[in-house]
Amino acid sequence: DGGITQSPKYLFRKEGQNVTLSCEQNLNHDAMYWYRQDPGQGLRLIYYSQIVNDFQKGDIAEGYSVSREKKESFPLTVTSAQKNPTAFYLCASSITGDRTVSGNTIYFGEGSWLTVV
Amino acid sequence: AQSVAQPEDQVNVAEGNPLTVKCTYSVSGNPYLFWYVQYPNRGLQFLLKYITGDNLVKGSYGFEAEFNKSQTSFHLKKPSALVSDSALYFCAVRDTNAGKSTFGDGTTLTVKP
Repeated sequence: DGGITQSPKYLFRKEGQNVTLSCEQNLNHDAMYWYRQDPGQGLRLIYYSQIVNDFQKGDIAEGYSVSREKKESFPLTVTSAQKNPTAFYLCASSITGDRTVSGNTIYFGEGSWLTVV
Repeated sequence: AQSVAQPEDQVNVAEGNPLTVKCTYSVSGNPYLFWYVQYPNRGLQFLLKYITGDNLVKGSYGFEAEFNKSQTSFHLKKPSALVSDSALYFCAVRDTNAGKSTFGDGTTLTVKP
C-alpha cells in the first residue's frame, strides 16, 4: 500500500542523548515535512524539504536536524540541544512543495511518540 | 503572513444533530483551505479542501465545508453527526504566495449517543 511509514511508534530518550525518528514514503512525493504536536498547541513545523538534498527550517527548528539524501526518506534527529523534546512527532509529504502548484494536499504518517526519561 | 483560528477548543453535539466546527483565516493572497481529522494516537487524515470554484466543498465521510470570502471563514459541517465522528479536527490554510501551510490549534468534537 502507498503511504508514509514512521518508526518507531514509541521512543524513549535519556538526557543528553540524540535520537533519530525515521520517515519513509512510497508516494513518489517531492516534498516532505516534520511537525511537532503538543497538547492544545496544534501542529508546529520543524523542518521541510521540497527536493532531495535540500531542506529549510520551519518555525521551531532549534535542537533538531534532518537530512534528505533520498526522495523517499526524511529522518529527523532530536539532539541533546532540544531541552523539551517530549511530544508527538508527525511526518508528512505532498506531491510538491512548489508554491505555484495549487492546493497541494499534505498526507501524514501515523506519528511517533518521543518521551524523555 | 498567514494564520488560521479555530475559536472553539471543544464542540459537543448529540448524535443525529447537525454539527459545525468553525475556522477563520488570514492571508495576504488567495487562500487554499483544508480540513483534517485526527483520531487518538494517529496521524491526520485529509477530509476536504477548497482551491477555487464552488464555495461549498464536499469531502469524506459526509463532511462538507463552506468557503466565505467576506467573512474569511471555512466552517466544517455535517448534517447528521455520528458517534464515530468524535475526534480532533484541524483547519489549515496556505496562502498562494506561501511555500507552507499553517494549521489551527484543533477542535475536539464529541458526539454523544
